[in-house]
Amino acid sequence: DTGVSQDPRHKITKRGQNVTFRCDPISEHNRLYWYRQTLGQGPEFLTYFQNEAQLEKSRLLSDRFSAERPKGSFSTLEIQRTEQGDSAMYLCATLAGGQETQYFGPGTRLLVL
Amino acid sequence: GDSVTQMEGPVTLSEEAFLTINCTYTATGYPSLFWYVQYPGEGLQLLLKATKADDKGSNKGFEATYRKETTSFHLEKGSVQVSDSAVYFCALSDQSRGNKLVFGAGTILRVKS
Repeated sequence: DTGVSQDPRHKITKRGQNVTFRCDPISEHNRLYWYRQTLGQGPEFLTYFQNEAQLEKSRLLSDRFSAERPKGSFSTLEIQRTEQGDSAMYLCATLAGGQETQYFGPGTRLLVL
Repeated sequence: GDSVTQMEGPVTLSEEAFLTINCTYTATGYPSLFWYVQYPGEGLQLLLKATKADDKGSNKGFEATYRKETTSFHLEKGSVQVSDSAVYFCALSDQSRGNKLVFGAGTILRVKS
């Protein structure tokens, strides 16, 4: 257990529905990252926050995706109008200031039918 | 952009065999290099890291040396165990780019008793 938690662990939804995932970081970590991992591939960067500020978004993140980190604590990732291509594992990782090692949560596995 | 290339798997070894998983990278800056491991049913865990050229990271009998001249960070272990069966990911991050991780595709290791 790295101290990073994600909820839910699994989500099955129908195409066109909206889904929201949550990540709770290690409390003193000011940076929070979201990655997406598809089968047989390494994780790909989606976006990251420093405290409550979203500092970068990948081109992978279409306008159907939105992420927030209110008050610099937990973060949510929402996908609107889900598509079958959104099926993947969504990973959250956190990083303490001045450090280089990111700690990953267990991930949320999304299946879009 | 930055990228990481790993040897394709799966790699199948007998217990106590020597392991090498090749990893090479392309980066414009001065990245830190990592090996993460994902055991079946578990999240990503840091295995080892190296932050500058000629550094050697080591953990649990695994080693990797940051070779700037060959842009490589190969993972080695002298004697593998069945419990080492997992997926291994090579990754890099650069502080000037927000420390976001760039991963290779992963290498599946299977160790037979």
